[in-house]
Amino acid sequence: ETGVTQSPTHLIKTRGQQVTLRCSSQSGHNTVSWYQQALGQGPQFIFQYYREEENGRGNFPPRFSGLQFPNYSSELNVNALELDDSALYLCASSPSGWGEAFFGQGTRLTVV
Amino acid sequence: EDQVTQSPEALRLQEGESSSLNCSYTVSGLRGLFWYRQDPGKGPEFLFTLYSAGEEKEKERLKATLTKKESFLHITAPKPEDSATYLCAVFNDYKLSFGAGTTVTVRA
Repeated sequence: ETGVTQSPTHLIKTRGQQVTLRCSSQSGHNTVSWYQQALGQGPQFIFQYYREEENGRGNFPPRFSGLQFPNYSSELNVNALELDDSALYLCASSPSGWGEAFFGQGTRLTVV
Repeated sequence: EDQVTQSPEALRLQEGESSSLNCSYTVSGLRGLFWYRQDPGKGPEFLFTLYSAGEEKEKERLKATLTKKESFLHITAPKPEDSATYLCAVFNDYKLSFGAGTTVTVRA
């Protein structure tokens, strides 16, 4: 059984650019959620996808968008990057819409 | 809005010195309280889920308990490898709401 994998592990972008982060869910999990974790803080919920549909969204602007594919892998897209977007981005998958969520190792995004 | 507060922010322990971490929460409809361990630069690692007051779960030197307003993570006779940030989260609707974590450092 493979775990949750994210790519890339580190990324440096310039303010105003766009970025795409990728996540492969754990085998058998149909729900994926994305979280943003600033340094010294707990993860903050961005949105969740269940069977390719957005199932819930946190307090993030529309320039944060996502996709879930038929194989349940997922992408997080962020447009018009701002310096405050620098954070660890975490993907979590779960076997249903609720319950234990298993996290990937994260993508460290730095916006300069 | 769901609120999760963890204390203390940091905890320094001597190897073998048992202690407890606190997680207090305010949520409209608790569907589960989760504990995770996070090592620097890594994703959170799932430890426990608690669903109802009075429930307890154990894993090696860790024991989690739940009341109607708070949860405790007890670390018994910790070892240096228990050094990490411990995160508490409540599950409501479709999302986890996390506290800021307690960073535990265990000295040999």
